[in-house]
Amino acid sequence: GQSLEQPSEVTAVEGAIVQINCTYQTSGFYGLSWYQQHDGGAPTFLSYNGLDGLEETGRFSSFLSRSDSYGYLLLQELQMKDSASYFCAVREGGANNLFFGTGTRLTVIP
Amino acid sequence: SAVISQKPSRDICQRGTSLTIQCQVDSQVTMMFWYRQQPGQSLTLIATANQGSEATYESGFVIDKFPISRPNLTFSTLTVSNMSPEDSSIYLCSVDHEGYLETQYFGPGTRLLVL
Repeated sequence: GQSLEQPSEVTAVEGAIVQINCTYQTSGFYGLSWYQQHDGGAPTFLSYNGLDGLEETGRFSSFLSRSDSYGYLLLQELQMKDSASYFCAVREGGANNLFFGTGTRLTVIP
Repeated sequence: SAVISQKPSRDICQRGTSLTIQCQVDSQVTMMFWYRQQPGQSLTLIATANQGSEATYESGFVIDKFPISRPNLTFSTLTVSNMSPEDSSIYLCSVDHEGYLETQYFGPGTRLLVL
């Protein structure tokens, strides 16, 4: 089986930096993905880490440490529109699908 | 990127009835995925639909309750059968990006309320 744990809620100030953590337990592992979902919207792909280290895409960065079974999503220069739910997801070894984490609801305040 | 549409976008149904949700993709894809998402919760995979073969269901989901069709490489349907209020949820279809399962594109979802 697999499990992915995320903080349920995070609140941060506009313009600040926030880190959303994800710890996972899987049997076999390909990599860690991150998705954003606004209220009433569909999940959208943000980032993928197949190897250890940092991946940067604009204001968003994602990090993976396979040895620690841990990753995080880093959002810089927070904007009000970043208020959304963020999900980490893994593809287990041998699986042809994704398993999603519990999700973190980010609220950006002025 | 793939553009995905779903029909209906929302529906209110009576218990005991069935609803078929359609998912249309603007390009040919090998696998299509059906998820369920309770309000404020994570996404739970129901099944994976491959063209020309039976869908693969996840633990806790059965074909009699959630029959799936995949008649071609751009279209799939999910039926929620003999509905109960516990089936009230958002149902999402998705496809992978050029075979990369880690990168999925999602449809807008179907919001189902069962009374």
